Parts: sequence; C-alpha cells; structure tokens
Amino acid sequence: AQSVSQHNHHVILSEAASLELGCNYSYGGTVNLFWYVQYPGQHLQLLLKYFSGDPLVKGIKGFEAEFIKSKFSFNLRKPSVQWSDTAEYFCAVANSGGYNKLIFGAGTRLAVHP
Amino acid sequence: DADVTQTPRNRITKTGKRIMLECSQTKGHDRMYWYRQDPGLGLRLIYYSFDVKDINKGEISDGYSVSRQAQAKFSLSLESAIPNQTALYFCATSDPGNEQFFGPGTRLTVL
Repeated sequence: AQSVSQHNHHVILSEAASLELGCNYSYGGTVNLFWYVQYPGQHLQLLLKYFSGDPLVKGIKGFEAEFIKSKFSFNLRKPSVQWSDTAEYFCAVANSGGYNKLIFGAGTRLAVHP
Repeated sequence: DADVTQTPRNRITKTGKRIMLECSQTKGHDRMYWYRQDPGLGLRLIYYSFDVKDINKGEISDGYSVSRQAQAKFSLSLESAIPNQTALYFCATSDPGNEQFFGPGTRLTVL
C-alpha cells in the first residue's frame, strides 16, 4: 500500500533561517506529488505540485521542492523563512493515472520565531 | 464566494446521535472527497465520489456513510456518533489534473 512519511513532526526556526522538510513515499509506479500548507485556523492550500518534467518545482511564497525519483523523495525547501510561514505542512502523493486518491503524510508543524 | 463550502463549521454532539456534515462546491468538479484530520495522523480519506453514481470507500469508512445528491453536493453522515469520531473533517473536490481544493473544515466534537 502507498504511504507517505514526513520525517519531522515539529520544526522551530528563527526568521531568515533556511528550511527543508523531508518527505518520502512508497509506491513503485508513476506518481503525482504535492505539498499543502495549513495556516492556523484555515483550510489546506496547495503550495506546489509535481506531475512530470523538471524535478525542481517552484511554488507560491518562495517555496520549492525537488523530486528525486531514486530516493522516492519530494523535499520542500525555502531559503529564508518568515514569521508568516508558521503553519502545518503536508506532503501528499497520488498515483498518476489513478483516481486522484491522495495519501497524506502526518504533517510537519513549523513555528518561526521573529 | 468560497468555491468549497462546508456546514456546519463547528458541531458538538452526544454519543449515539446521528450527524450530517454537508459540502457544496461551485467549481464544477465531478470528483469529491471526505477526509478527517487528527493531530499527528495527517488527513485520512473516508469516502470519495467520482460522479453522482460512483461512490467508493476510503481507508477509514467504518462508522460513516455518504450521499452524493448532485454534482455540487456531497454529504457525510455519522449514523451513531462515538467519541473517537471527534476530529476536523474536510471536504475536497478535484479536477482531472489531480489538484484537490479543500473546504474550510468542520470541527466535530462527540461527547
């Protein structure tokens, strides 16, 4: 069965620090990959997605992620975080050509201190 | 106006009561989903529907049922609520390109 693993459950950073959140998935076929963000008290919003092509994808708010097929990974990065990036981040995977069923990771709660 | 709406936004109920959570969308998508979110577990799929006549169980469907009344409406029911169904429930829709759009969530507490 497909699964998604996010390595860090809680991350605390100071403003301007660099961010990398790990995501690994288990599925042998072609996948579509997503990062969603949930700001406090809000619903999930799409940060970025990868379907095919350039494995380095850029999303909103300065976020990017790199798909490394050999490592089954899709890590999220941001060179310099801001206080407003405080949120919970979810990695999700869907098997390409399937039925849009997303499998979510457990989430990483990021707190950015001024 | 929001593309995906959920009612109610908050609900407190007692064990054994029947509860219905409603979801409406104006995106024109055929595919709709119900998830529950629990701390440390992420989102887990309860049910999904690819059109009005197609409804499928997700990974945690026990204790839940759904109804797809129209393309725009997808309701989730708890026939007899129990405390471990206390959670945040999200409805979502998707386009054929796999991106899912989420509603604002319903916070359900079962006492």
